Amino acid sequence: GENVEQHPSTLSVQEGDSAVIKCTYSDSASNYFPWYKQELGKRPQLIIDIRSNVGEKKDQRIAVTLNKTAKHFSLHITETQPEDSAVYFCAASSYSSASKIIFGSGTRLSIRP
Amino acid sequence: EAGVAQSPRYKIIEKRQSVAFWCNPISGHATLYWYQQILGQGPKLLIQFQNNGVVDDSQLPKDRFSAERLKGVDSTLKIQPAKLEDSAVYLCASSLPGRAKKDQFFGPGTRLTVL
Repeated sequence: GENVEQHPSTLSVQEGDSAVIKCTYSDSASNYFPWYKQELGKRPQLIIDIRSNVGEKKDQRIAVTLNKTAKHFSLHITETQPEDSAVYFCAASSYSSASKIIFGSGTRLSIRP
Repeated sequence: EAGVAQSPRYKIIEKRQSVAFWCNPISGHATLYWYQQILGQGPKLLIQFQNNGVVDDSQLPKDRFSAERLKGVDSTLKIQPAKLEDSAVYLCASSLPGRAKKDQFFGPGTRLTVL
């Protein structure tokens, strides 16, 4: 089955700097890669996703890149702000309705003022 | 629109006791998921329903966990008997069927503490 590994487990960056979180997956059939943000004590919320037919997707300060050959994908947050502090989870899935989403172990991002 | 509803929000029980969680998905969402999120880890799928049928329960510890969605709307997850390692947040999520996986919305979760 699918296995998703996520690094680093913790990340601290200066406000205004960029943050990068990396994930690898094992199942070559996976073709849908969402990213979730979970603030302390709250539910995970989808912030961006990418499908295997594209290599990069941007949404304001957030971008995700995908390398299908190497089976890795990354989240990039630019111009970080205090409200970006949270735990971020990557995930992988096949696009069919019956396929489960496998989550990574999470990255705790802290933004230093 | 109303989100995914879960109850209770918190539950404290002793080991070997039983507990049940309830989830009401977003109206019209045929797919419903139960996840277990242990502190410091990502959510782990326990069971996925499509309407009232089970799509995937491969990671559900069936000797103690059970779930049902009899009418294809709300769902219950039960643990009987509970163990210490069951302490976690139990998240329910729902989505439209088919290719709309991006529309998976999570409920607030139930935080279970087993003493």
